[in-house]
Amino acid sequence: QVQLVQSGAEVKKPGSSVKVSCKASGGTFSSYVINWVRQAPGQGLEWMGGIIPMFGTANYAQKFQGRVTITANESTSTAYMELSSLRSEDTAGYFCASLGDSYAFDIWGQGTMVIVSS
Amino acid sequence: DIQMTQSPSSLSASVGDRVTITCRASQSITSYLNWYQQKPGKAPKLLIYAASSLQSGVPSRFSGSGSETDFTLTISSLQPEDFASYYCQQSYSTRYTFGQGTKLEIK
Repeated sequence: QVQLVQSGAEVKKPGSSVKVSCKASGGTFSSYVINWVRQAPGQGLEWMGGIIPMFGTANYAQKFQGRVTITANESTSTAYMELSSLRSEDTAGYFCASLGDSYAFDIWGQGTMVIVSS
Repeated sequence: DIQMTQSPSSLSASVGDRVTITCRASQSITSYLNWYQQKPGKAPKLLIYAASSLQSGVPSRFSGSGSETDFTLTISSLQPEDFASYYCQQSYSTRYTFGQGTKLEIK
């Protein structure tokens, strides 16, 4: 059974960067499609981008283009999401999720809370 | 990007009620429509994929229908554990987008 385990909560200053990790187990990591979804407090789900570790190329939502970088390390079965130039509006829960054969996000990480505050 | 519009944004209902949530896409997405349930403080959970296929382990009171641009999620008889938020998502485009969500509350 595939599992995704994310890194712990972060508190960051405005203007800094944050890097959240998502470690996979129980499957063939290189063939996954790992996506990142964020959720501001009390708000809905927002897709940020995704990566196929086998190919190493990521695609991003237009809103985050230029500010988010998604990478993957096949040797450690870990995907990363780095968000730069943080502002208070980036305070949110960040989830990784795997796209299954069903073309749906069938496996989710537990979420990582990122708080941006001076 | 494909826009997904859900309605209603909130809904009050009682245990045993039948409820329907709708989702409209800004262009045809054929059947690439998924539904998720989310409870406070938890990750979303996949309920329905490909518009009408029930994810393994999900109770049969949940069902989905629709194609092209108009879709529905129906819960045939609400149970106490169903009070949560629900989101649709299109996977026709790899720039995946979600609806704004429907919060289902106890009446």
